Amino acid sequence: DTGVSQDPRHKITKRGQNVTFRCDPISEHNRLYWYRQTLGQGPEFLTYFQNEAQLEKSRLLSDRFSAERPKGSFSTLEIQRTEQGDSAMYLCASSLGPGTGRGNIQYFGAGTRLSVL
Amino acid sequence: AQSVTQLDSQVPVFEEAPVELRCNYSSSVSVYLFWYVQYPNQGLQLLLKYLSGSTLVESINGFEAEFNKSQTSFHLRKPSVHISDTAEYFCAVSERGNKLTFGTGTQLKVEL
Repeated sequence: DTGVSQDPRHKITKRGQNVTFRCDPISEHNRLYWYRQTLGQGPEFLTYFQNEAQLEKSRLLSDRFSAERPKGSFSTLEIQRTEQGDSAMYLCASSLGPGTGRGNIQYFGAGTRLSVL
Repeated sequence: AQSVTQLDSQVPVFEEAPVELRCNYSSSVSVYLFWYVQYPNQGLQLLLKYLSGSTLVESINGFEAEFNKSQTSFHLRKPSVHISDTAEYFCAVSERGNKLTFGTGTQLKVEL
């Protein structure tokens, strides 16, 4: 079990540029979540996948944000035309699905810190 | 909709003293409850969880939390803190296996 891996750890970009983050979940986990955390706040849910299907998206996820999990393994989160308000830590988590007898215990990666200049 | 309230944004405490970090939640259905800890520039680490069964749950490093359904609380306690416990602590709720909703966090600062 190598844990949840996120890449890159840090990303600095200029306003208006596109950025893409990657998340590799724990291998046997079929659920993958994206959260955003701004300074002094708790993480806020963005979206989640069960295998390759995107099952829920938050209203926080504007049209500039898109997430994919094409083969049910790793996931990417893309932000188009970045704005300064997008600056945050983007966290990925993975879990087994419900009904496994282990609840929805989500394990988090170290996050990608985005700074938009 | 589910929500979590952590009333204390910062809790300073001396080493070896007891501490309680408060968490209250709101939900219309049965929930799972979690405490996560976050060290600077790191992701969240699961500290302990309540899924079902005994309302008192414990972690391997001496923390415990008690699920109180009537008061909709899940306070975190430790009888004697160590300097290494300095971190931010987040309470979270999940409505039966879906997304987590977090509180705003409590910064625990342990002083010598």
